[in-house]
Amino acid sequence: NAGVTQTPKFQVLKTGQSMTLQCAQDMNHNSMYWYRQDPGMGLRLIYYSASEGTTDKGEVPNGYNVSRLNKREFSLRLESAAPSQTSVYFCASGAGVSYNEQFFGPGTRLTVL
Amino acid sequence: AQSVTQPDIHITVSEGASLELRCNYSYGATPYLFWYVQSPGQGLQLLLKYFSGDTLVQGIKGFEAEFKRSQSSFNLRKPSVHWSDAAEYFCAVGDYAAGNKLTFGGGTRVLVKP
Repeated sequence: NAGVTQTPKFQVLKTGQSMTLQCAQDMNHNSMYWYRQDPGMGLRLIYYSASEGTTDKGEVPNGYNVSRLNKREFSLRLESAAPSQTSVYFCASGAGVSYNEQFFGPGTRLTVL
Repeated sequence: AQSVTQPDIHITVSEGASLELRCNYSYGATPYLFWYVQSPGQGLQLLLKYFSGDTLVQGIKGFEAEFKRSQSSFNLRKPSVHWSDAAEYFCAVGDYAAGNKLTFGGGTRVLVKP
């Protein structure tokens, strides 16, 4: 089992460019999540998908869109990147049951110039 | 809304010494609590979790945490730290009412002196 995979690992964008971060899980989990990590702020939830076919905003959704393509895949899109979106992005998945933990991917380090 | 506070941004500890990381949470009902560890350049790995029962929870790598409802705390401890424990540690509370979202604290970075 690969667990949660993310592509790419690193990306540099210019302001205004767009890109999509890909995430896939092979644990048959119902729920998937996108977080961003910034120094001193822990991880903040951008969007999540509690189950296939549903998506909801998290704490910091502005400037992002998501697609739950199927049960395995959950992508995050930046339509017009801004320097404030420079961050490390983590995808996670979980069974969706309250006491079950989330499993995290290795992260994507994004720099917007 | 729920929140998590980790009061210590950095902690330096000598190898072999004990370690305690503090976590305070705010949540309206019985919390589901987690501790994760992040090694440099890596994703997050679950150390332990609490959702009911015994308030002292054992985890991987020799870590344990104690849930104290009266103090809204879930502190992480390890009796004897190894150099490989140098990492960043995150406490999180789960919101089971909404897709099991996690709210994280700001993290505590642990440095281990030889």
